[in-house]
Amino acid sequence: QKEVEQNSGPLSVPEGAIASLNCTYSDRGSQSFFWYRQYSGKSPELIMSIYSNGDKEDGRFTAQLNKASQYVSLLIRDSQPSDSATYLCAVNVPGNTPLVFGKGTRLSVIA
Amino acid sequence: GAGVSQSPSNKVTEKGKDVELRCDPISGHTALYWYRQSLGQGLEFLIYFQGNSAPDKSGLPSDRFSAERTGGSVSTLTIQRTQQEDSAVYLCASSSQGTSGSQETQYFGPGTRLLVL
Repeated sequence: QKEVEQNSGPLSVPEGAIASLNCTYSDRGSQSFFWYRQYSGKSPELIMSIYSNGDKEDGRFTAQLNKASQYVSLLIRDSQPSDSATYLCAVNVPGNTPLVFGKGTRLSVIA
Repeated sequence: GAGVSQSPSNKVTEKGKDVELRCDPISGHTALYWYRQSLGQGLEFLIYFQGNSAPDKSGLPSDRFSAERTGGSVSTLTIQRTQQEDSAVYLCASSSQGTSGSQETQYFGPGTRLLVL
């Protein structure tokens, strides 16, 4: 059974702080990892993808992957109220299978 | 290019009626997925189409739910004899296939909000 676990939150951070969102996964064969952002009433949109161990930075966002620990995280620097949303972690293994999504972490950035 | 489109954007129906939801994937994407999301809940996988392979129907909640994908492009999700618990947002996504055989990034459509009275 492939599982992706996230803390449901809400995670509250003050404006300008670093928000840290965490995700663990059960399948050691997982190779592709994705972070999606979902605003209330909207569909998920891709924030970042990461495929190899280490950090990947894109603007204020940094994805971190540690395959040995089966752990992937998303850091949001200089958090803004507009970052308030639910963040979904998604994981895939090679082969003809769909992504497995976590239930999401709700982030609230307080002005 | 155009993203994933879905229609209708909203659907209100009476209990017991059948509904059809449509998804038009990104051109050239071989994989198409249907999800359901109830209010405040996570994504519930329903069904997955990949090229000409048999669809993965493992997520369909009952035999009232079915989906087809014609010509490897547009897909229709059909819910027969709708029940109130079917009320949710139905999301469609599509992706291309990577060289390793794994699925590339899924791109979501705007969803269809279904309300069963």
